[in-house]
Amino acid sequence: NAGVTQTPKFQVLKTGQSMTLQCAQDMNHEYMSWYRQDPGMGLRLIHYSVGAGITDQGEVPNGYNVSRSTTEDFPLRLLSAAPSQTSVYFCASSYSRFGYGYTFGSGTRLTVV
Amino acid sequence: SQQGEEDPQALSIQEGENATMNCSYKTSINNLQWYRQNSGRGLVHLILIRSNEREKHSGRLRVTLDTSKKSSSLLITASRAADTASYFCATEETSGSRLTFGEGTQLTVNP
Repeated sequence: NAGVTQTPKFQVLKTGQSMTLQCAQDMNHEYMSWYRQDPGMGLRLIHYSVGAGITDQGEVPNGYNVSRSTTEDFPLRLLSAAPSQTSVYFCASSYSRFGYGYTFGSGTRLTVV
Repeated sequence: SQQGEEDPQALSIQEGENATMNCSYKTSINNLQWYRQNSGRGLVHLILIRSNEREKHSGRLRVTLDTSKKSSSLLITASRAADTASYFCATEETSGSRLTFGEGTQLTVNP
């Protein structure tokens, strides 16, 4: 089925560890983004990309890196995990940055201990 | 800071009743979108209404937009237990920075 695929679905990390959250879409969408969802704070934008080779920071970028080498993939890297990064992470894609609805992945639930 | 704020935070109704959720925002927008999120799942796009539109329908969903009051409402008619979910409004600001989500309304439809 066409859509956004995120892996893993669950992850537990120790403080200081690094990891990469994977996101892939097969809809040929130009725009991809990463959000984190925390209770009482809604969804907050971490990083986004308007096309291969182009990335930019969102509202809460600190502690995260992204790259976009292909149209399909947009991985999110946690450089040195901290308990404050415990959250649910969602990848979303869209035909374009503006004027279209987003397609979301099913999320990665990350716990940092 | 949050752009969109949903009201109420939680809503509990009986199956067959209508559910109305409201969203207020602060800045000028290009469009406003509504999403649904079932427990433990990702968000699903429901409907997009542009700033020059006042009302839009999709199946049992009716969305209104009042740009003078900076508010929108989502009406779900003849609700079903399967409509139980969190509903989020999201605004695309004219400044073009990002799509900003509110904190959501938790809707419970009792059988």
